[in-house]
Amino acid sequence: QQQVKQSPQSLIVQKGGIPIINCAYENTAFDYFPWYQQFPGKGPALLIAIRPDVSEKKEGRFTISFNKSAKQFSLHIMDSQPGDSATYFCAASSKRGNNDMRFGAGTRLTVKP
Amino acid sequence: DAGITQSPRHKVTETGTPVTLRCHQTENHRYMYWYRQDPGHGLRLIHYSYGVKDTDKGEVSDGYSVSRSKTEDFLLTLESATSSQTSVYFCAISGGLAGGGYNEQFFGPGTRLTVL
Repeated sequence: QQQVKQSPQSLIVQKGGIPIINCAYENTAFDYFPWYQQFPGKGPALLIAIRPDVSEKKEGRFTISFNKSAKQFSLHIMDSQPGDSATYFCAASSKRGNNDMRFGAGTRLTVKP
Repeated sequence: DAGITQSPRHKVTETGTPVTLRCHQTENHRYMYWYRQDPGHGLRLIHYSYGVKDTDKGEVSDGYSVSRSKTEDFLLTLESATSSQTSVYFCAISGGLAGGGYNEQFFGPGTRLTVL
C-alpha cells in the first residue's frame, strides 16, 4: 500500500510544453515534500522541495504547487526541454518518522524536440 | 553524487549465497539509508541508520540486515539471496552540518544486483 500515489506513469510533451506531475498522500504527519529527477543509470537527484507552510515554490523552470487540505502536490516544468527527459519521483517524509521517506512510483517524462 | 560511493556497482550471484553491498560517504552525514528500486514501486526503504551502531527497519526489511561501525560506512547484507531481491539498490545520506537541511537526502550511484 503506497503512502504516496503519483500520476501519470508516463508523459510525453513537445519542447516548450508544460508537463504536470501529480502526487497525493495520506499521512498528515508528512512535513517535507521533495521531487527527485533520475536519469538512466544514475541515482535520484534532489530537484526541488516544499514544506506545508507554503502553497508554491519556484526554482528556475520548476514549480511545486501544494494543497494541504487536499493532501496533494504537483510538479510543473516550464518551457520543457529534451534534456528534461527523465524519471521524476515525488516523495514525502516526517521528522517524527526519523526521516523515513516514502516515494511515489515515478513518472517517465519524454520531451520531444 | 554528493561524496557517496557504492560498491560493487554491478553484481550477479546465485540464489542462496550471501551478498554484502557497501556504501561509503565522505560528507560526515549522520543519517544513512538503503533503498531498493523496482519498476512500478519507486524507491522503498530497506533499513536506515541514525548514528554509529544505531539502525532501524524500513518498509521492506525482511531478508536484509545492516551494520554501521563507522560514520562513513553502511553495509547491507542479504544473508541468503533470493530472486525476489534482484533490484537496483541505492544508498542515501542526510543530516550533515552543511547538508542543507534535516530532511534532504542525497543518493549514491546505485548497485545493480541480479540473483539467478
